[in-house]
Amino acid sequence: NAGVTQTPKFQVLKTGQSMTLQCAQDMNHEYMSWYRQDPGMGLRLIHYSVGAGITDQGEVPNGYNVSRSTTEDFPLRLLSAAPSQTSVYFCASSYSTASGGAGTQYFGPGTRLTVL
Amino acid sequence: AQSVTQLDSHVSVSEGTPVLLRCNYSSSYSPSLFWYVQHPNKGLQLLLKYTSAATLVKGINGFEAEFKKSETSFHLTKPSAHMSDAAEYFCVVSADNYGQNFVFGPGTRLSVLP
Repeated sequence: NAGVTQTPKFQVLKTGQSMTLQCAQDMNHEYMSWYRQDPGMGLRLIHYSVGAGITDQGEVPNGYNVSRSTTEDFPLRLLSAAPSQTSVYFCASSYSTASGGAGTQYFGPGTRLTVL
Repeated sequence: AQSVTQLDSHVSVSEGTPVLLRCNYSSSYSPSLFWYVQHPNKGLQLLLKYTSAATLVKGINGFEAEFKKSETSFHLTKPSAHMSDAAEYFCVVSADNYGQNFVFGPGTRLSVLP
Protein backbone atom coordinates (compact mmCIF):
# COMPACT_ATOMS: atom_id res chain seq x y z
CA ASN A 1 0.00 0.00 0.00
CA ALA A 2 1.19 3.49 -0.85
CA GLY A 3 -0.99 4.93 1.94
CA VAL A 4 -1.81 8.61 1.43
CA THR A 5 -0.04 10.35 -1.42
CA GLN A 6 0.03 14.07 -2.18
CA THR A 7 1.24 15.99 -5.20
CA PRO A 8 3.02 18.28 -5.69
CA LYS A 9 5.52 18.40 -2.82
CA PHE A 10 6.32 22.05 -3.42
CA GLN A 11 4.51 24.81 -5.31
CA VAL A 12 5.00 28.52 -5.82
CA LEU A 13 2.06 30.58 -7.05
CA LYS A 14 1.45 34.21 -7.82
CA THR A 15 -1.45 36.04 -6.20
CA GLY A 16 -4.66 35.33 -8.10
CA GLN A 17 -3.56 32.07 -9.67
CA SER A 18 -5.57 28.92 -9.14
CA MET A 19 -4.36 25.40 -8.62
CA THR A 20 -5.35 21.97 -7.38
CA LEU A 21 -3.54 19.97 -4.72
CA GLN A 22 -3.97 16.27 -5.31
CA CYS A 23 -4.56 13.66 -2.62
CA ALA A 24 -5.15 9.94 -3.03
CA GLN A 25 -5.39 6.99 -0.65
CA ASP A 26 -5.43 3.27 -1.35
CA MET A 27 -6.71 2.04 2.02
CA ASN A 28 -10.42 2.23 1.16
CA HIS A 29 -10.96 4.71 3.99
CA GLU A 30 -14.33 6.44 4.24
CA TYR A 31 -13.05 9.70 5.65
CA MET A 32 -10.64 12.16 4.10
CA SER A 33 -9.57 15.59 5.29
CA TRP A 34 -7.45 18.56 4.33
CA TYR A 35 -5.47 20.56 6.89
CA ARG A 36 -3.16 23.50 6.76
CA GLN A 37 -0.26 23.87 9.15
CA ASP A 38 1.02 27.27 10.16
CA PRO A 39 3.72 27.98 12.78
CA GLY A 40 2.40 27.92 16.35
CA MET A 41 -1.13 26.97 15.30
CA GLY A 42 -1.05 23.22 14.90
CA LEU A 43 -3.11 21.82 12.06
CA ARG A 44 -6.40 23.45 11.17
CA LEU A 45 -9.12 21.60 9.30
CA ILE A 46 -10.07 23.09 5.93
CA HIS A 47 -12.60 20.60 4.52
CA TYR A 48 -13.44 16.99 5.10
CA SER A 49 -15.44 14.21 3.49
CA VAL A 50 -17.28 11.28 5.05
CA GLY A 51 -17.65 9.44 1.76
CA ALA A 52 -17.84 9.82 -2.01
CA GLY A 53 -20.13 12.70 -2.89
CA ILE A 54 -20.24 14.11 0.66
CA THR A 55 -18.08 17.00 1.84
CA ASP A 56 -18.28 19.54 4.62
CA GLN A 57 -16.44 22.60 5.85
CA GLY A 58 -13.91 22.61 8.62
CA GLU A 59 -12.50 25.49 10.63
CA VAL A 60 -10.89 27.49 7.79
CA PRO A 61 -12.72 26.76 4.51
CA ASN A 62 -12.67 30.19 2.85
CA GLY A 63 -10.78 30.31 -0.43
CA TYR A 64 -10.79 26.53 -0.89
CA ASN A 65 -13.06 24.08 -2.68
CA VAL A 66 -13.18 20.29 -2.53
CA SER A 67 -15.03 17.47 -4.19
CA ARG A 68 -15.05 13.71 -3.67
CA SER A 69 -16.13 11.81 -6.75
CA THR A 70 -14.38 8.57 -5.73
CA THR A 71 -13.39 6.95 -2.43
CA GLU A 72 -9.72 7.23 -3.36
CA ASP A 73 -9.32 10.88 -4.39
CA PHE A 74 -9.92 14.15 -2.56
CA PRO A 75 -8.47 17.16 -4.42
CA LEU A 76 -8.23 20.61 -2.85
CA ARG A 77 -8.70 23.62 -5.13
CA LEU A 78 -7.41 27.10 -4.45
CA LEU A 79 -9.67 29.39 -6.42
CA SER A 80 -7.62 32.60 -6.38
CA ALA A 81 -4.43 32.25 -4.37
CA ALA A 82 -3.57 34.83 -1.73
CA PRO A 83 -0.36 35.30 0.33
CA SER A 84 -2.37 34.28 3.43
CA GLN A 85 -2.65 30.81 1.92
CA THR A 86 1.09 30.27 2.14
CA SER A 87 1.27 27.18 4.31
CA VAL A 88 1.98 23.48 4.44
CA TYR A 89 -1.03 21.41 3.44
CA PHE A 90 -1.67 17.89 4.69
CA CYS A 91 -4.21 15.42 3.46
CA ALA A 92 -5.37 12.62 5.75
CA SER A 93 -7.63 9.61 5.59
CA SER A 94 -9.30 7.64 8.37
CA TYR A 95 -12.05 5.15 9.12
CA SER A 96 -14.71 4.55 11.72
CA THR A 97 -14.25 1.70 14.15
CA ALA A 98 -16.79 -1.00 14.94
CA SER A 99 -17.51 0.75 18.25
CA GLY A 100 -18.14 4.05 16.46
CA GLY A 101 -15.06 5.80 17.76
CA ALA A 102 -12.45 7.52 15.66
CA GLY A 103 -10.04 5.40 13.74
CA THR A 104 -6.45 6.44 13.21
CA GLN A 105 -5.79 9.26 10.76
CA TYR A 106 -3.09 8.56 8.23
CA PHE A 107 -1.34 11.60 6.82
CA GLY A 108 0.27 12.32 3.50
CA PRO A 109 3.77 13.84 3.30
CA GLY A 110 2.46 17.37 2.79
CA THR A 111 2.58 20.08 0.12
CA ARG A 112 4.54 23.25 0.87
CA LEU A 113 2.79 26.14 -0.90
CA THR A 114 4.14 29.64 -1.25
CA VAL A 115 1.99 32.43 -2.66
CA LEU A 116 3.87 35.54 -3.77
CA ALA B 1 -17.28 23.01 20.59
CA GLN B 2 -14.30 20.79 21.09
CA SER B 3 -10.88 22.18 21.87
CA VAL B 4 -7.41 21.09 22.87
CA THR B 5 -4.92 22.93 25.06
CA GLN B 6 -1.28 21.96 25.14
CA LEU B 7 0.03 23.68 28.21
CA ASP B 8 3.64 24.07 27.09
CA SER B 9 4.74 25.36 23.72
CA HIS B 10 8.30 24.15 24.36
CA VAL B 11 9.71 21.53 26.70
CA SER B 12 13.42 20.89 27.13
CA VAL B 13 14.81 17.78 28.87
CA SER B 14 18.16 16.09 29.18
CA GLU B 15 18.75 12.75 27.51
CA GLY B 16 17.82 9.91 29.85
CA THR B 17 15.39 11.97 31.96
CA PRO B 18 11.59 11.64 31.95
CA VAL B 19 9.36 13.44 29.47
CA LEU B 20 5.96 14.94 30.32
CA LEU B 21 3.92 16.72 27.65
CA ARG B 22 0.63 18.04 28.93
CA CYS B 23 -2.71 18.08 27.14
CA ASN B 24 -6.19 19.11 28.27
CA TYR B 25 -9.28 18.83 26.14
CA SER B 26 -12.93 19.73 26.08
CA SER B 27 -15.49 17.64 24.26
CA SER B 28 -19.26 17.30 24.22
CA TYR B 29 -18.99 13.58 23.54
CA SER B 30 -16.93 10.74 24.87
CA PRO B 31 -13.77 11.67 23.04
CA SER B 32 -11.25 9.78 21.03
CA LEU B 33 -7.81 11.19 21.80
CA PHE B 34 -4.55 10.89 19.95
CA TRP B 35 -0.93 11.96 20.15
CA TYR B 36 0.97 12.53 16.92
CA VAL B 37 4.65 13.32 16.43
CA GLN B 38 6.18 15.38 13.64
CA HIS B 39 9.91 15.39 13.09
CA PRO B 40 11.40 18.41 11.30
CA ASN B 41 10.20 18.74 7.72
CA LYS B 42 8.37 15.43 7.95
CA GLY B 43 4.77 14.28 8.00
CA LEU B 44 2.80 13.23 11.07
CA GLN B 45 3.09 9.85 12.72
CA LEU B 46 0.65 8.37 15.22
CA LEU B 47 2.19 7.72 18.64
CA LEU B 48 -0.88 6.37 20.42
CA LYS B 49 -4.65 6.68 20.68
CA TYR B 50 -7.38 6.37 23.29
CA THR B 51 -10.84 5.20 22.21
CA SER B 52 -12.68 4.35 25.47
CA ALA B 53 -10.84 1.14 26.27
CA ALA B 54 -8.03 1.09 28.85
CA THR B 55 -7.30 4.51 30.31
CA LEU B 56 -3.53 3.94 30.20
CA VAL B 57 -2.50 3.74 26.59
CA LYS B 58 0.87 2.49 25.41
CA GLY B 59 2.28 3.72 22.15
CA ILE B 60 5.35 3.41 20.03
CA ASN B 61 8.91 4.26 21.05
CA GLY B 62 8.21 3.87 24.77
CA PHE B 63 5.58 6.63 25.01
CA GLU B 64 2.37 6.26 26.97
CA ALA B 65 -0.56 8.47 27.94
CA GLU B 66 -3.24 8.31 30.61
CA PHE B 67 -6.81 9.41 30.02
CA LYS B 68 -8.25 11.14 33.11
CA LYS B 69 -11.86 12.05 32.56
CA SER B 70 -12.22 13.95 35.84
CA GLU B 71 -9.31 16.20 34.90
CA THR B 72 -10.09 16.23 31.12
CA SER B 73 -6.43 15.44 30.55
CA PHE B 74 -4.42 13.17 28.31
CA HIS B 75 -0.77 13.78 29.20
CA LEU B 76 2.02 12.07 27.28
CA THR B 77 4.96 10.56 29.15
CA LYS B 78 8.14 8.64 28.51
CA PRO B 79 10.44 7.38 31.27
CA SER B 80 13.72 8.18 29.53
CA ALA B 81 14.21 10.66 26.69
CA HIS B 82 16.33 9.86 23.68
CA MET B 83 17.91 12.34 21.28
CA SER B 84 15.68 10.99 18.51
CA ASP B 85 12.58 12.10 20.47
CA ALA B 86 13.27 15.75 19.62
CA ALA B 87 10.24 16.76 17.55
CA GLU B 88 6.87 18.54 17.61
CA TYR B 89 4.08 16.71 19.42
CA PHE B 90 0.38 17.26 18.81
CA CYS B 91 -2.53 16.26 21.00
CA VAL B 92 -5.71 15.65 18.98
CA VAL B 93 -9.35 15.14 19.94
CA SER B 94 -12.02 13.70 17.72
CA ALA B 95 -14.66 16.38 17.65
CA ASP B 96 -17.79 14.34 17.01
CA ASN B 97 -19.17 10.94 17.81
CA TYR B 98 -18.78 9.69 14.25
CA GLY B 99 -15.03 9.77 14.52
CA GLN B 100 -14.43 12.66 12.18
CA ASN B 101 -13.54 16.32 12.43
CA PHE B 102 -10.35 16.03 14.43
CA VAL B 103 -9.19 19.10 16.38
CA PHE B 104 -5.46 19.62 16.88
CA GLY B 105 -3.71 21.33 19.74
CA PRO B 106 -1.10 23.97 18.87
CA GLY B 107 1.78 21.57 19.49
CA THR B 108 4.65 21.20 21.96
CA ARG B 109 8.20 21.29 20.73
CA LEU B 110 10.38 18.84 22.62
CA SER B 111 14.11 19.49 22.78
CA VAL B 112 16.45 16.81 24.14
CA LEU B 113 19.81 18.00 25.42
CA PRO B 114 22.86 15.73 25.48
